[in-house]
Amino acid sequence: GQQVMQIPQYQHVQEGEDFTTYCNSSTTLSNIQWYKQRPGGHPVFLIQLVKSGEVKKQKRLTFQFGEAKKNSSLHITATQTTDVGTYFCAGYTGTASKLTFGTGTRLQVTL
Amino acid sequence: DGGITQSPKYLFRKEGQNVTLSCEQNLNHDAMYWYRQDPGQGLRLIYYSQIVNDFQKGDIAEGYSVSREKKESFPLTVTSAQKNPTAFYLCASSIDGTALNEKLFFGSGTQLSVL
Repeated sequence: GQQVMQIPQYQHVQEGEDFTTYCNSSTTLSNIQWYKQRPGGHPVFLIQLVKSGEVKKQKRLTFQFGEAKKNSSLHITATQTTDVGTYFCAGYTGTASKLTFGTGTRLQVTL
Repeated sequence: DGGITQSPKYLFRKEGQNVTLSCEQNLNHDAMYWYRQDPGQGLRLIYYSQIVNDFQKGDIAEGYSVSREKKESFPLTVTSAQKNPTAFYLCASSIDGTALNEKLFFGSGTQLSVL
């Protein structure tokens, strides 16, 4: 079945450093979504990318969708303590109307 | 306030016991989902329902059962057949469930532990 892997599994950065998480799917995706889960909380939708090669920005967050629509990345510039949490990518394939989540990257930010 | 309500927040199960997790939504969404979250494994789909009185197995349905008698409600029963039930369970909903671009809205989750 479809698998979606994320690396790294965990990253610890100092506030102000940049952070990137990578998402790789075993199959081509119709689109990619990103969610953030704060510690003790539930996943919250951040953004969706649909087109091959698409890049979207939300303030300090930059999201990219690969040309082959099998990978994606989330880059955070100048991290802040409010960025702490686990970031999940998730994608639909063309054949299934259910969302498959990646394994997640947990981000820890310290002062 | 519109949203998804899961209860209880914490639940303990004894050996051989069935337990039911509640999920209610007032978003008027057609589709509802149950995910299981284990550390380092992301979210795995247990069951989903796109319409009342109909539901489909997800990737890890064994040992679980669901019902969808009302649009607003999608309870999950963890049966005694589920040998490793300790996990964080998340309920979610989406508007339609058939379009391949819908975002999910999640409840606050239930942490299930085995006594």
